[in-house]
Amino acid sequence: DIQMTQSPSSLSASVGDRVTIPCRASQSISTYLNWYQHKPGKAPNLLIYAASILQSGVPSRFSGSGSGTDFTLTISSLQPEDFATYYCQQILSTPFTFGQGTKLEIK
Amino acid sequence: QVQLVESGGGVVQPGRSLRLSCAASGLSFSTSGMHWVRQAPGKGLEWVAVIPYDGSNKYYAESVKGRFTISRDNSKNTLYLQMNSLRAEDTAVYYCAKGDYYGGSGIEYFQHWGQGTLVTVSS
Repeated sequence: DIQMTQSPSSLSASVGDRVTIPCRASQSISTYLNWYQHKPGKAPNLLIYAASILQSGVPSRFSGSGSGTDFTLTISSLQPEDFATYYCQQILSTPFTFGQGTKLEIK
Repeated sequence: QVQLVESGGGVVQPGRSLRLSCAASGLSFSTSGMHWVRQAPGKGLEWVAVIPYDGSNKYYAESVKGRFTISRDNSKNTLYLQMNSLRAEDTAVYYCAKGDYYGGSGIEYFQHWGQGTLVTVSS
């Protein structure tokens, strides 16, 4: 199985900050990588698919990069509504594993 | 618009069974691959199972293999998850999600999710 590692598990930042959230795969997954935002009590929200393609309707301050084993989600200027948990997911082969998540907290 | 509505969650004793349903509307269900994803209390997202549009090849997480069965009824636009031999560690919110593909790349993503149904396994 492909393991997805997100570290750190939590991150403190302020409104207006530029934030990068890393994700590493245990083997090369090309660009078979998605990013989701998850808030308590709500369904996960797709942000980025195929490593770098912004989902329709998602603000342009979100961007994704990387291929192979190392990926990054970047939020260019944090907004109050962005404080949530972010997950990467590999979609190359089953089981379609998620990273353990990075919780973005207000500093 | 696309709507996915899960039902069937509740409190169940260890070792017992439960069947979850996910009613779909606003999409071409019979041509969509479907997934179950869960989140245990205080934990992250865990992918559980997938079934293609025709119900042919199904895949499961190791943690549920042999105990859970994913199925679908395209005539009813409904996805199911039969959960047998439930354990305390199966306690979670269970989400259904629709798989969509990026062009012809084979890269699948989950744009549409239900709101989830809570399963609690406890004596």
